[in-house]
Amino acid sequence: KAGVTQTPRYLIKTRGQQVTLSCSPISGHRSVSWYQQTPGQGLQFLFEYFSETQRNKGNFPGRFSGRQFSNSRSEMNVSTLELGDSALYLCASSPGQGTSPSEQFFGPGTRLTVL
Amino acid sequence: AQSVTQLDSQVPVFEEAPVELRCNYSSSVSVYLFWYVQYPNQGLQLLLKYLSGSTLVESINGFEAEFNKSQTSFHLRKPSVHISDTAEYFCAVSRTGGGNKLTFGTGTQLKVEL
Repeated sequence: KAGVTQTPRYLIKTRGQQVTLSCSPISGHRSVSWYQQTPGQGLQFLFEYFSETQRNKGNFPGRFSGRQFSNSRSEMNVSTLELGDSALYLCASSPGQGTSPSEQFFGPGTRLTVL
Repeated sequence: AQSVTQLDSQVPVFEEAPVELRCNYSSSVSVYLFWYVQYPNQGLQLLLKYLSGSTLVESINGFEAEFNKSQTSFHLRKPSVHISDTAEYFCAVSRTGGGNKLTFGTGTQLKVEL
């Protein structure tokens, strides 16, 4: 099976712009989670989608949003970019059948740089 | 809410020496515990997990971790490290019934030297 793919791998934006990141989970996986990784804050949970519904949400401002499509692919959007949004954004997929955590498979991430 | 503390930000060790990476967690509810490894410029890979049952869990590449409820710890150990084990290691916790939301520690950079 192909692994989790994230596009694009690298992105440079300027403050005030918006950005959309894409994640394609492993075939058959219905849960997609997003994490932000920065040197200062470490790995922080953004949100989880399961069967097109947001199941969990982290403590991020409303500028961060996401969605999941019927094929389980997911996108996250960040509007009005700030310098502090520069980070590695990781997507993870899992079968996600129940509410107990299942093994999550991470993609290589999208490196976002905000200038 | 859950939290995870990884006490060591960096651990240097010589090849073939044993290593222990420490992880303590805090939670008012039952949790599941995980160790992930991240190699440079890559995503995270699950190393091992504790969901229930035996408190000692092992990975296929020689790592093991023991869940200690009384000490709220989940330390990672390997009796003999290899140069290829150089990476960053993250301890994570998820509350039972909480879906796939993981709370991570700040990570421990393991550097194996010849």
